[in-house]
Amino acid sequence: EADIYQTPRYLVIGTGKKITLECSQTMGHDKMYWYQQDPGMELHLIHYSYGVNSTEKGDLSSESTVSRIRTEHFPLTLESARPSHTSQYLCASSEQGDYYGYTFGSGTRLTVV
Amino acid sequence: RKEVEQDPGPFNVPEGATVAFNCTYSNSASQSFFWYRQDCRKEPKLLMSVYSSGNEDGRFTAQLNRASQYISLLIRDSKLSDSATYLCVDSGNTPLVFGKGTRLSVIA
Repeated sequence: EADIYQTPRYLVIGTGKKITLECSQTMGHDKMYWYQQDPGMELHLIHYSYGVNSTEKGDLSSESTVSRIRTEHFPLTLESARPSHTSQYLCASSEQGDYYGYTFGSGTRLTVV
Repeated sequence: RKEVEQDPGPFNVPEGATVAFNCTYSNSASQSFFWYRQDCRKEPKLLMSVYSSGNEDGRFTAQLNRASQYISLLIRDSKLSDSATYLCVDSGNTPLVFGKGTRLSVIA
């Protein structure tokens, strides 16, 4: 009964391709986030948004971009995929306020060959 | 951004054991934390929130010790299904910063 959806679940793509990872949530949350995680490592914040038309870069330098045109939708785009982009990408959302945890999607496992 | 520190483990415990993890933090102004659970190759899931009053949910008990600046998670009667990585997160450090967590393996 996931309330936050990520597609595709798995993606194998060639170097240089443009890809968009989709993330949608049905909870009406204003805040949304993208994290990147390699196996056995911590999550790294790459982008976040606190509302429509508001986006910020996270701590991890990334060649990706995001948009937030609708509250429920927060897609992540890689203009030119590289093998170094191979990783798991996790989308999350939360309510306003510091005392609400994040709900994560199931992630997209990206492999760039 | 200020983070929390956790023993990465792994903690290998037999089924039925009681296990406790500690997590220290450096920001004395921090007032609440989250414990997340992350299974291998899955997304993190919120286990419980921790405030100064502590929190208990079944076999899981979380405490916040503000004087010593640490948070604990106690798991009683460990099950095989408790095997996962447990992440301690400062709720006031937003966007949230997730460390590597503590790996727990419960062995039959």
